[in-house]
Amino acid sequence: QKEVEQNSGPLSVPEGAIASLNCTYSDRGSQSFFWYRQYSGKSPELIMSIYSNGDKEDGRFTAQLNKASQYVSLLIRDSQPSDSATYLCAVNPPRGNAGKSTFGDGTTLTVKP
Amino acid sequence: DVKVTQSSRYLVKRTGEKVFLECVQDMDHENMFWYRQDPGLGLRLIYFSYDVKMKEKGDIPEGYSVSREKKERFSLILESASTNQTSMYLCASSMSGPVHGYTFGSGTRLTVV
Repeated sequence: QKEVEQNSGPLSVPEGAIASLNCTYSDRGSQSFFWYRQYSGKSPELIMSIYSNGDKEDGRFTAQLNKASQYVSLLIRDSQPSDSATYLCAVNPPRGNAGKSTFGDGTTLTVKP
Repeated sequence: DVKVTQSSRYLVKRTGEKVFLECVQDMDHENMFWYRQDPGLGLRLIYFSYDVKMKEKGDIPEGYSVSREKKERFSLILESASTNQTSMYLCASSMSGPVHGYTFGSGTRLTVV
């Protein structure tokens, strides 16, 4: 089992719809969770961080964390063609090298006009 | 604007050459990381560093070494380049502690022929 798993996609949604991206992790003690957006040919860019159970909203983006289920998700409301990218989930471990993230393989999102 | 700068965007090297990839950050970050990214394999950690002159192996250190003589600079060295080291190399940095995400450089696309 991979430490961080994401639906590989691709995920396709129409413009204006809600895109839902999911991520599960194996280490129950993990404490920090991140979402990165990576456009084709570009490097990843941090878009959301979440540390506590529940929802965290930033503009059209909402990150959701459920530590009991070891599940983190990213919702993109009113999806735009400019949201078309690969989204990487990353998890920081509970101890030791606390700044070293483990990344999922990413979910590719296409928003169709 | 804070930055992680990688010295080259594209590099072509011959098999057996010693290759240096340079990364400089201007954010006074303690942590620095080198990843490679390949289609279907995601982001794989090569080496990381939590402090000057300190280094730790990541998941795939074979064939690589690193140097961190100054806080702002983290160099990746391919001792004897091979064709299977053709890849996108990404440098990242972060603040110390478990709650901080990464800032990535723009990447170096290395081709070994």
